[in-house]
Amino acid sequence: DQQVKQNSPSLSVQEGRISILNCDYTNSMFDYFLWYKKYPAEGPTFLISISSIKDKNEDGRFTVFLNKSAKHLSLHIVPSQPGDSAVYFCAARATGGGADGLTFGKGTHLIIQP
Amino acid sequence: DAGVTQSPTHLIKTRGQQVTLRCSPKSGHDTVSWYQQALGQGPQFIFQYYEEEERQRGNFPDRFSGHQFPNYSSELNVNALLLGDSALYLCASSHITGGLSSYEQYFGPGTRLTVT
Repeated sequence: DQQVKQNSPSLSVQEGRISILNCDYTNSMFDYFLWYKKYPAEGPTFLISISSIKDKNEDGRFTVFLNKSAKHLSLHIVPSQPGDSAVYFCAARATGGGADGLTFGKGTHLIIQP
Repeated sequence: DAGVTQSPTHLIKTRGQQVTLRCSPKSGHDTVSWYQQALGQGPQFIFQYYEEEERQRGNFPDRFSGHQFPNYSSELNVNALLLGDSALYLCASSHITGGLSSYEQYFGPGTRLTVT
């Protein structure tokens, strides 16, 4: 039973355009969401996060939107650059019970075309 | 400032054997979490160590055990290896404040374990 779902295994976007990566979750206890980026042969690198009390968080070219009623979040990258090509993981955390372990989606492979 | 380091990078073991993986957390971090990433999947939480004790555990059998040392480094032990244990094992570190680890966990490069 997957609690965090990334339904697009891959996404191809032209350089300079907007990349939109989507993530859905089922566990209502999740209250903090994170996006990680992973290059081959490296560990995941933290990108941006959002608390459930917010609906948007922005950091440079990266913006995360959270729609709690739909249990959906998305990561927008504008403009997309070749170095953004990587696997992007959506992760969630339920802190209410003192739980810190992250629940990850399967990832979306983003390919930026020149 | 050294990030999270893991050793070894790669490991090949035979079914039924035991394996120990090692992790040193990022400087200033006191909490270590271990994750298993199978091919084509996202990382799955195994357990977390803080103050040398297992603080939280995911849905993994008792064959998976761990240890944290006074210098905050950690080991992951897997007994009676199965073919299905073949995966990338990731270590992540964070810092406990107010009873909760910092929101962002910093990951090491992982150890690729192959069980034949």
